[in-house]
Amino acid sequence: AQTVTQSQPEMSVQEAETVTLSCTYDTSESDYYLFWYKQPPSRQMILVIRQEAYKQQNATENRFSVNFQKAAKSFSLKISDSQLGDAAMYFCAYPEDNNAGNMLTFGGGTRLMVKP
Amino acid sequence: DGGITQSPKYLFRKEGQNVTLSCEQNLNHDAMYWYRQDPGQGLRLIYYSQIVNDFQKGDIAEGYSVSREKKESFPLTVTSAQKNPTAFYLCASRIGVTEAFFGQGTRLTVV
Repeated sequence: AQTVTQSQPEMSVQEAETVTLSCTYDTSESDYYLFWYKQPPSRQMILVIRQEAYKQQNATENRFSVNFQKAAKSFSLKISDSQLGDAAMYFCAYPEDNNAGNMLTFGGGTRLMVKP
Repeated sequence: DGGITQSPKYLFRKEGQNVTLSCEQNLNHDAMYWYRQDPGQGLRLIYYSQIVNDFQKGDIAEGYSVSREKKESFPLTVTSAQKNPTAFYLCASRIGVTEAFFGQGTRLTVV
């Protein structure tokens, strides 16, 4: 089975500073998507950013950007100018494709705390 | 507005009782998923369905059952065989290989 690993259970960042959350995955595919989701205290899952593996350019959405290293199977999320509202659980996700269909597998999550 | 609706938001189950969690989507998505989330943990896949009248077990299907009689609906039944059902349950849908859209979740508690 494919796996998604987030090695940092918790991270802390000072408001207005930058933080990077790590994610590694295992796949034998060459073309795929990767996703970062945010889960605030409301527990609603919110898509933060997506990366298409065939694209060389790292995805960016306002203060959120990724560092996608395809050969290393690494997909980290960088949050710039951190805000109090960024405090949440963050999940990396990879769509697995098998004979039964296409699943979406999540890492264990990183809890991000933002200090004022 | 298009989206995914889960109901109820809170559900209480007595020991030995079956309960059903509802998930409805009007996004015209083919694939639907059920995840379980325990406190401070990630999402674990229970069941998923790619098309109507077909579904597959995920990593933790024991004690759960689903049906997919309509494209829009994917209810999850938590049976009495599930020994530790207290958790937060999330339903999601997606089309193709793009991102999944999630409902707001159901918190199930055994009383």
